[in-house]
Amino acid sequence: QVQLMQSGAEVKEPGSSVKVSCKTSGDTFNSSAISWVRQAPGQGLEWMTGIIPIVGAATYAQKFQGRVTITADRSTNTVHMDLRALTSDDTAVYYCARGPIVGATLGDYWGQGTRVTVSS
Amino acid sequence: QSALTQPASVSGSPGQSITISCSGSSNDVGGYDYVSWCQQHPGKAPKLIIYDVNKRPSGVSNRFSGSKSGNTASLTISGLQADDEADYYCNSYTSSSTYVFGSGTRVTVL
Repeated sequence: QVQLMQSGAEVKEPGSSVKVSCKTSGDTFNSSAISWVRQAPGQGLEWMTGIIPIVGAATYAQKFQGRVTITADRSTNTVHMDLRALTSDDTAVYYCARGPIVGATLGDYWGQGTRVTVSS
Repeated sequence: QSALTQPASVSGSPGQSITISCSGSSNDVGGYDYVSWCQQHPGKAPKLIIYDVNKRPSGVSNRFSGSKSGNTASLTISGLQADDEADYYCNSYTSSSTYVFGSGTRVTVL
C-alpha cells in the first residue's frame, strides 16, 4: 500500500527558509514521481515542483524558479522541498503527491499535508 | 503558467447530473491526454477521481466520468449525492514538463 508521510507543521519568520519532507516506502520511492502542491488558506491547489527520485530529474513551476529546491534521499526514501525567502504569501498547506513513472498522472496518492505559517 | 479555467461553482439536486469544464490551451489540456480530476472535501487532502482524461482509479464510483474536446476537459457527475458536495480541481501536464491546476469548482448539492 502506498503511503506518503509528511513532516510536521512549521512556523517561520519572513525572510527565512523552510524544509518540508515526504517519506515513502522503498517500493514507492523507486516507482514514483513525487510533486509538491500547496494550498493557501481559502485558495486553490498550486503545483510547485516535482522529481523522479530514481533518476533525480527535477522540474519547477516558473513562479518558484530560484526559490525552491526539491531533492530525493535514497537512504531514507524521502523527498524534501526547500522554500527560501519566505513571505506571508507562502502561508499554506503543502502536500506531496505521487504519480507513476510511466505516464504523467499527478496525485494518485497524497500526503496528509504540512501546514506552514509565515509570521513575525 | 496561468491556472486552467473552471467555473467557480456548480450546483444540482440529488439524482441530477452536473458537468464541470476545464479550459486550457494547446500547451496543456489540448496537447496531452494527461488530464486528471481530484475531489477535495473541507480540511482533507485531495483525492484522485479521474486520470488520463477518462480513466477511473480503482474504488472510484462510475458516477464520475471524464472527457476532452480540443483544449477543454470536462468532468460529469451523474446521480448527484450529498457526499459529492466538495471542491473539484482539474490538472494537466504541460509542454514545459510541469503541471498546472484548474482554478477549482465548488459543487453544491441542493
